[in-house]
Amino acid sequence: QKEVEQNSGPLSVPEGAIASLNCTYSDRGSQSFFWYRQYSGKSPELIMFIYSNGDKEDGRFTAQLNKASQYVSLLIRDSQPSDSATYLCAVNMDDYKLSFGAGTTVTVRA
Amino acid sequence: EAQVTQNPRYLITVTGKKLTVTCSQNMNHEYMSWYRQDPGLGLRQIYYSMNVEVTDKGDVPEGYKVSRKEKRNFPLILESPSPNQTSLYFCASGTTPSYEQYFGPGTRLTVT
Repeated sequence: QKEVEQNSGPLSVPEGAIASLNCTYSDRGSQSFFWYRQYSGKSPELIMFIYSNGDKEDGRFTAQLNKASQYVSLLIRDSQPSDSATYLCAVNMDDYKLSFGAGTTVTVRA
Repeated sequence: EAQVTQNPRYLITVTGKKLTVTCSQNMNHEYMSWYRQDPGLGLRQIYYSMNVEVTDKGDVPEGYKVSRKEKRNFPLILESPSPNQTSLYFCASGTTPSYEQYFGPGTRLTVT
């Protein structure tokens, strides 16, 4: 079993719609959770982090964490063509290790 | 400007020829790590370092070495590269793995 799994995608959404990305993780003791965005040919950049159960909103992005179910999700509201990218879920598994999922590629159709 | 730099950005080499990919950060971060990225597999951690002279294996350390003699530098060494090490490599740094990681621009390595 992979430590961090994401819905495989690709995910295609029309402009203005909500894109929903999911991620599950195996280590119940994980404490820190991140969403990185990676444009084609570029390096990953952090867009959201969440440490506590519940929702965290930042502009058009909302991260949701449910530690009991071991999943974290990312919602992108009012999707724009500039949101077309690969989104990587990352989980800090212990004090030293950071594990990434394989990523979900999102395409926003104009 | 706060940044992580990697060199070279592109490298084509032959099997068995030792190479080093350099990584340097100017943010005084204690935590540094190396990842490889392959299609469908995402980012896989090769090695990480919590501080100077403190390094440990990640998920895919076979065939790689690292050193951390200075806080700012964390080179990745392939002593005898093989074709299955053809990949896109990223160096990253952060205060700790519990906080944001800053990634370098990537090094695309091809081993023939």
